[in-house]
Amino acid sequence: DAGVTQSPTHLIKTRGQQVTLRCSPISGHKSVSWYQQVLGQGPQFIFQYYEKEERGRGNFPDRFSARQFPNYSSELNVNALLLGDSALYLCASSPAGDQPQHFGDGTRLSIL
Amino acid sequence: GEDVEQSLFLSVREGDSSVINCTYTDSSSTYLYWYKQEPGAGLQLLTYIFSNMDMKQDQRLTVLLNKKDKHLSLRIADTQTGDSAIYFCAESSNTGNQFYFGTGTSLTVIP
Repeated sequence: DAGVTQSPTHLIKTRGQQVTLRCSPISGHKSVSWYQQVLGQGPQFIFQYYEKEERGRGNFPDRFSARQFPNYSSELNVNALLLGDSALYLCASSPAGDQPQHFGDGTRLSIL
Repeated sequence: GEDVEQSLFLSVREGDSSVINCTYTDSSSTYLYWYKQEPGAGLQLLTYIFSNMDMKQDQRLTVLLNKKDKHLSLRIADTQTGDSAIYFCAESSNTGNQFYFGTGTSLTVIP
């Protein structure tokens, strides 16, 4: 069975641009969460979606938004990119909200 | 947010046991987790423990939970060079819709 898949694997943007990252959960998983991992730190929670509704939001500015589609895949959007947004963005899925999460390999976003 | 703390580095010799420690703050967490991250990769779920358990064993891995002290540990028996990685402890909020990770412990296994 396929694990959590994320695209693209790498992305280079410049300050002020907008970016969309994509995630496909494990088949049968209805919950998707997004995390930002800055080099040398643990993942920081951004959003959790379950059954297409936002169920949790971390301490990130409104420039960050996400949505979940009827097939449970998800997109993370970041507007007005800043240098500090450079990080590994991880997506995780689980059958429901409070269950063990399985991670994809992430999207490495670099802001120039 | 919640505060999950881990020591930053651990070095052991191949064949020895490794013990990675973690302290957390949310006493209402339903599950506590251990993840492994190798360079350039995502996080791999190693094991997890339900909050009403004291211990869980899974092959070479043993998880101990002390709820009174809010302390979680991961013991890796017969540590191998392939175990070299960063290990993250994580807890979920009581509603289950937010996860909090520690800063990670970098384990180096010396041949």
